[in-house]
Amino acid sequence: AQTVTQSQPEMSVQEAETVTLSCTYDTSESNYYLFWYKQPPSRQMILVIRQEAYKQQNATENRFSVNFQKAAKSFSLKISDSQLGDTAMYFCAFMKGRETSGSRLTFGEGTQLTVNP
Amino acid sequence: DGGITQSPKYLFRKEGQNVTLSCEQNLNHDAMYWYRQDPGQGLRLIYYSQIVNDFQKGDIAEGYSVSREKKESFPLTVTSAQKNPTAFYLCASSRDSGWAEQYFGPGTRLTVT
Repeated sequence: AQTVTQSQPEMSVQEAETVTLSCTYDTSESNYYLFWYKQPPSRQMILVIRQEAYKQQNATENRFSVNFQKAAKSFSLKISDSQLGDTAMYFCAFMKGRETSGSRLTFGEGTQLTVNP
Repeated sequence: DGGITQSPKYLFRKEGQNVTLSCEQNLNHDAMYWYRQDPGQGLRLIYYSQIVNDFQKGDIAEGYSVSREKKESFPLTVTSAQKNPTAFYLCASSRDSGWAEQYFGPGTRLTVT
């Protein structure tokens, strides 16, 4: 079974600064995907960024980037130029590669990020 | 507009009653999922369905039941056997059961007293 651990229940950052959220996972799979989801106060889950395990290059989406360390099973999210709208709960999630039993997302416990003006 | 709808947003029930949460999608997605979210915890998978008339248990299926009679609909019934039903329930769908992105509905907050 896969496990995902987010060791920072809460974090805060000043507007325009950079913050990094940590995530570690445990799996015996070689083919998998990792995700960061954002859940703002509206509670709508929004996909922030995705990383395929077979890709060595770290994924980037505008101000969001990841540091994927496959050997260390680490998948951190860096948010640059933080904005007030980035205030949300952030979840790290794991998905096995394509399989016949369906795509199951395994989530971490979440990190509540607050961006202060 | 395409998307996933869950209704109602808030639901209140008395203990011992079964309750059904609605989830509808018009994205033409094959796969649909139900997750439960509790304070301080991530989402946990209850049930998922890859195709009409087929579904599989997730990690916490006890006390829940589902049906998938139509591609667009995946209702979740919280039965009286579920010991701690008060939670936030999220429905999601994806294009297929591969790695495709899962799109989430707005959720239903169920309170059982």
